[in-house]
Amino acid sequence: GAGVSQSPSNKVTEKGKDVELRCDPISGHTALYWYRQSLGQGLEFLIYFQGNSAPDKSGLPSDRFSAERTGGSVSTLTIQRTQQEDSAVYLCASSVGGGPYEQYFGPGTRLTVT
Amino acid sequence: AQSVTQLDSQVPVFEEAPVELRCNYSSSVSVYLFWYVQYPNQGLQLLLKYLSGSTLVKGINGFEAEFNKSQTSFHLRKPSVHISDTAEYFCAVSDWGGSEKLVFGKGTKLTVNP
Repeated sequence: GAGVSQSPSNKVTEKGKDVELRCDPISGHTALYWYRQSLGQGLEFLIYFQGNSAPDKSGLPSDRFSAERTGGSVSTLTIQRTQQEDSAVYLCASSVGGGPYEQYFGPGTRLTVT
Repeated sequence: AQSVTQLDSQVPVFEEAPVELRCNYSSSVSVYLFWYVQYPNQGLQLLLKYLSGSTLVKGINGFEAEFNKSQTSFHLRKPSVHISDTAEYFCAVSDWGGSEKLVFGKGTKLTVNP
């Protein structure tokens, strides 16, 4: 079956612009996660959704970052007023939820802020 | 908070040699441990996981790992590596009971040379 998909695969934006990154999880997976991968910081957790609610937003680095999930499916990560330090690969993962089950990762969106 | 330490950032080995990639985690009552692999320009793929039961866990591509509670370690091993095993390997612990997020180590870059 289909895996986790993310779009766009690459995004180049100018400093100060807003960007939206999309994640389409595996059908039926109730848990959805966003992570960020950068050279200096490794893999960092950003936010976790269970259904449409986000019980853990502790990893969002600033109030410029927000995310939502609708219909228990697609999620959008929005970064407002992008900064150069936001340049990274943004990874989305999903799992069946309700326990420490395998997380299935998408291919990521590479964001470059110029 | 959970944390993971991968002791080696880079491990070069020759083809058909054995390899061990080291991982230590911060102690917790319940521990759920994972190894993920990331091939160049690809997403993360699960190699193996420890949730409970036997401390020796076998995964895909001939990899195995041993959970050692007294040493808080979860080292990854393969008796004979191939060129195709060249990739970055991430150890992770699940913060289950919290948000189910994964806390990753910094990664180990395995390079298999002919």
